[in-house]
Amino acid sequence: AQTVTQSQPEMSVQEAETVTLSCTYDTSESDYYLFWYKQPPSRQMILVIRQEAYKQQNATENRFSVNFQKAAKSFSLKISDSQLGDAAMYFCAYRSADTGNQFYFGTGTSLTVIP
Amino acid sequence: ETGVTQSPTHLIKTRGQQVTLRCSSQSGHNTVSWYQQALGQGPQFIFQYYREEENGRGNFPPRFSGLQFPNYSSELNVNALELDDSALYLCASSLAGGAMGGYTFGSGTRLTVV
Repeated sequence: AQTVTQSQPEMSVQEAETVTLSCTYDTSESDYYLFWYKQPPSRQMILVIRQEAYKQQNATENRFSVNFQKAAKSFSLKISDSQLGDAAMYFCAYRSADTGNQFYFGTGTSLTVIP
Repeated sequence: ETGVTQSPTHLIKTRGQQVTLRCSSQSGHNTVSWYQQALGQGPQFIFQYYREEENGRGNFPPRFSGLQFPNYSSELNVNALELDDSALYLCASSLAGGAMGGYTFGSGTRLTVV
């Protein structure tokens, strides 16, 4: 079974600074998708960024970018120019490209943004 | 375009009771997935419904069951509630074949079992 590990339960960053959240995963599959979701106090999971495993180029969405290292099975999220609204729980998630009917989520990283 | 709506937002049940949670999918979506998120944990996949049939199930006992209706809305039923069933239950809708994403999550139902 696929597993997703987030080793940082909590992180903090000064407003306008950059922070990196770590994620590793374990799979025997070659084709899959990786995601970062944000869960604010409203509880709704909001997609931040996604990466297709067959693409070598790292995904970027405005201030959010990933460092995808397929061989190392690592998928970190970098948030640049952090804003107060970025404060939330961040979950790394895996989804198979073949059977793909479920997400496997990590345990999350709580991000605090310090004004 | 409406999002995913879940009801109720909170409820408290007694151990041994039964509960039904409801989810209205986003307009245009035909697939609904349910997740259980225990406190301090990531969401765990319960099952998915597509065309009113169960389309995959996670490691949950049979007392967790579901339905999907012709309008693609869905219900999650839990029988014989246990204290460990206390969690946030998230519903997510999608369009079949949307493995890359395109999932819209609701804000969940917080279930407390006492």
